[in-house]
Amino acid sequence: DQQVKQNSPSLSVQEGRISILNCDYTNSMFDYFLWYKKYPAEGPTFLISISSIKDKNEDGRFTVFLNKSAKHLSLHIVPSQPGDSAVYFCAARDGSGNTGKLIFGQGTTLQVKP
Amino acid sequence: EAGVAQSPRYKIIEKRQSVAFWCNPISGHATLYWYQQILGQGPKLLIQFQNNGVVDDSQLPKDRFSAERLKGVDSTLKIQPAKLEDSAVYLCASSLGTLAGANNEQFFGPGTRLTVL
Repeated sequence: DQQVKQNSPSLSVQEGRISILNCDYTNSMFDYFLWYKKYPAEGPTFLISISSIKDKNEDGRFTVFLNKSAKHLSLHIVPSQPGDSAVYFCAARDGSGNTGKLIFGQGTTLQVKP
Repeated sequence: EAGVAQSPRYKIIEKRQSVAFWCNPISGHATLYWYQQILGQGPKLLIQFQNNGVVDDSQLPKDRFSAERLKGVDSTLKIQPAKLEDSAVYLCASSLGTLAGANNEQFFGPGTRLTVL
């Protein structure tokens, strides 16, 4: 039962262009969403997040959009840089409990070409 | 500030053997998490500790996996006996509080890559 899905295993974009990574979820009890970035042989690092009461959050080159009615969120990176090449995980917090449990998607590998 | 430390970084064992992983969280972080990440999948929470108490172990295969966090600091995750399907990266993470979200970011260690032959 995959509650958080990243349907694109990989994405390749040219340096300077926009990267758009997508994530879909099924559980309406998710109340907080996060994006993590992972380089090889390292653990994931937090990138940006958004509460379910908002539809947009921006931090520098990174913007996350949330469409609750569609149960869809996306991460926009503008402009993309070669150093952004990594695996990106979408994660959702289950707000029905008090543990803050995160459910992760499968990840999307982003390659930014110079 | 030192990050989350894990050891060993790599481990190769044969099925039915035992293995243990160690994690040292960021100083002062009350919550510690163990995740399993199988190749091609996202991390899956195995167990969550708040200080030295278990908050969530609903996805821990308790017939073969065990974890402890003595004194509310370091933690060990053990697999006994290992199966082929346990081959994965085991990630440890820590956070100040319990709820994920703003100001309670989970910081991950580099992980231990386990190969079961």
